[in-house]
Amino acid sequence: QVQLKESGPVLVQASETLSLTCTVSGFSLTNYGVIWVRQPPGKGLEWMGIIWRNGNTDYNSALKSRLSINRDTSKSQVFLKMNSLQTDDTAIYYCTRERDLNTFDYWGQGVMVTVSS
Amino acid sequence: DIQMTQSPSSMSVSLGDTVTITCRASQDVGIYVNWFQQKPGKSPRRMIYRATNLADGVPSRFSGSRSGSDYSLTISSLESEDVADYHCLQYDEYPTFGGGTKLELK
Repeated sequence: QVQLKESGPVLVQASETLSLTCTVSGFSLTNYGVIWVRQPPGKGLEWMGIIWRNGNTDYNSALKSRLSINRDTSKSQVFLKMNSLQTDDTAIYYCTRERDLNTFDYWGQGVMVTVSS
Repeated sequence: DIQMTQSPSSMSVSLGDTVTITCRASQDVGIYVNWFQQKPGKSPRRMIYRATNLADGVPSRFSGSRSGSDYSLTISSLESEDVADYHCLQYDEYPTFGGGTKLELK
């Protein structure tokens, strides 16, 4: 069955780099894009960026200078890296998938990342 | 960026109510609007896709509609399990979410 699972550190120091992994199963990264979404505590959802099925990427313009998304299709993993973290980057980070009618249909459980000053 | 203005931000509801939540898009986004339900400590769940289509496993009391740039999620005969936060999303261009609506029981 389709699954996505985020993993990574739960505590990161301000000014450092966040590295998260989304491991997927039940579908291929060459057939689906993967999207990253985050949600600060008690706040709304924010689209961060996408790696398309062809490997191209697009990013939220507000994060573009700090964000990169890559993948390893052989391991069914997508990687998010965001540098120069600040305390307002504290959030739950989710991955979800993209393709046609299935866009945003399955989500990972999320990983809560706290940025400490 | 396209803005999705969601209203209301919160709503006090009773079981059996018909509830309508609306998002207004700042520019044309066509049919590319989804609605999500989110319960505390859980990931968002897709309820409606492409403005009017019911996602798999979603009860038929949920429906989505569009009138021009206004998109609505309606819950008919609200049940206790429907008390949650709801989010709209446009993905015609770079995706943007509405601010969310919190349903609370009276």
